[in-house]
Amino acid sequence: DGGITQSPKYLFRKEGQNVTLSCEQNLNHDAMYWYRQDPGQGLRLIYYSQIVNDFQKGDIAEGYSVSREKKESFPLTVTSAQKNPTAFYLCASSILLARRNSSYEQYFGPGTRLTVT
Amino acid sequence: GNSVTQMEGPVTLSEEAFLTINCTYTATGYPSLFWYVQYPGEGLQLLLKATKADDKGSNKGFEATYRKETTSFHLEKGSVQVSDSAVYFCALRTPSGTYKYIFGTGTRLKVLA
Repeated sequence: DGGITQSPKYLFRKEGQNVTLSCEQNLNHDAMYWYRQDPGQGLRLIYYSQIVNDFQKGDIAEGYSVSREKKESFPLTVTSAQKNPTAFYLCASSILLARRNSSYEQYFGPGTRLTVT
Repeated sequence: GNSVTQMEGPVTLSEEAFLTINCTYTATGYPSLFWYVQYPGEGLQLLLKATKADDKGSNKGFEATYRKETTSFHLEKGSVQVSDSAVYFCALRTPSGTYKYIFGTGTRLKVLA
């Protein structure tokens, strides 16, 4: 089955440590996205990538870094510079340009809940 | 700029009640519009979508119509079930440029038996 996988589902880290969240998709989508969700809040865009080896900052990129070395992978690193990293992180992907029998919706992974103490 | 505004929750309904969750948007051009649902501890799942004016998206008894004149995409269901309890997000895809997705803040729905 095609889809997006995120691992791990739960992650615990000590303050001051960098941590990398995994996101893999086998949907052959060009674009990938990372969002942060805090309790009772909507989604805030951290980074997005529309093509391999290129990515753009979203609305809250400070304290985060990403890479896009392969089309199917878009890992997110939460660095020690992120002041409040405890949150639910969602990865998503989508096509970039419309093709026959396809549409623009985003597909989401199951999320990673990061707790930093 | 582009934005999505949806009604604040929580919305609490009895089983078999009629549901409306309002969503309005601001965008240049003709964005694609979506409703997503999120169950506790999970990612978002696409519920329905519409890509042009007057399109009606529908799925699992939920419906929403793309209204260009009122810039709205309200979610409706004629008879809700306990299993519909979740958070619902309205979203748009910007029609050009960086092709970003803009989400509303989400509306929590609680259906009581």
